[in-house]
Amino acid sequence: DTAVSQTPKYLVTQMGNDKSIKCEQNLGHDTMYWYKQDSKKFLKIMFSYNNKELIINETVPNRFSPKSPDKAHLNLHINSLELGDSAVYFCASSQDIGPYQAFFGQGTRLTVV
Amino acid sequence: RKEVEQDPGPFNVPEGATVAFNCTYSNSASQSFFWYRQDCRKEPKLLMSVYSSGNEDGRFTAQLNRASQYISLLIRDSKLSDSATYLCVVIPYNFNKFYFGSGTKLNVKP
Repeated sequence: DTAVSQTPKYLVTQMGNDKSIKCEQNLGHDTMYWYKQDSKKFLKIMFSYNNKELIINETVPNRFSPKSPDKAHLNLHINSLELGDSAVYFCASSQDIGPYQAFFGQGTRLTVV
Repeated sequence: RKEVEQDPGPFNVPEGATVAFNCTYSNSASQSFFWYRQDCRKEPKLLMSVYSSGNEDGRFTAQLNRASQYISLLIRDSKLSDSATYLCVVIPYNFNKFYFGSGTKLNVKP
C-alpha cells in the first residue's frame, strides 16, 4: 500500500488550461503539504494543511488553489497554466505540525507547452 | 539570504571513500533537523534525523553545530548505491514548515 499517493504522475498540458492534481495519504496523518520542485531541484513549500485547515500559504499565485475535503486528501487545482508552472509537484504528509518526518508522494511532473 | 544553504556539488568519490557534506541555516531558533535523500526522478525520503548530541546509523553520521548554525552528514565506506542528492531540512521553532536545502549531489564511482 502506498502511503502517500498522488495522481497523475505525468501531466502535459497547454498554456491557459486548468488542471488538478490529487493527493491521498493512508497514514492517519494530520498535516499535509504541497511542494514545488523546479528545474534547479529546489524544493519550496506552497501550502500546508492541518486537519483540513490551511496553515501555510506561501507567496503563490492565486491561480493555485488547494482544497482539503478531509484530512486524508489534499488536492491542488491550477487555473490558467503558464510555462513557468512546469515543475515537479510533491504532496507530503506528516504526523502533525512539529518535528516529525515528512512522507512524500511520488511527484507529479507537470509540463506546460 | 536563504533559510538553508548547501553546496550543490557534485561530489565525485570512489567506492569506499569517506565523504562529508555541510548545510548551514540562517535561523538560530531552528528546532529540528533532518537529512533526506532524493534519487533521480524520485521523491525525497528521510535518511536520518539530526540530534543535538549527534547520531549514527550504520555508515552515516549526522552532527549538529548550533553555535555555527550548521549540520553535517558523514558517509563512510561509500557504496555505488549511495549516489543520490542529499537534502538537509530545517524546521523552525514554530514548527510550521520544512525548509529544504537545494541538495548536494553525490556520485560514487567504481
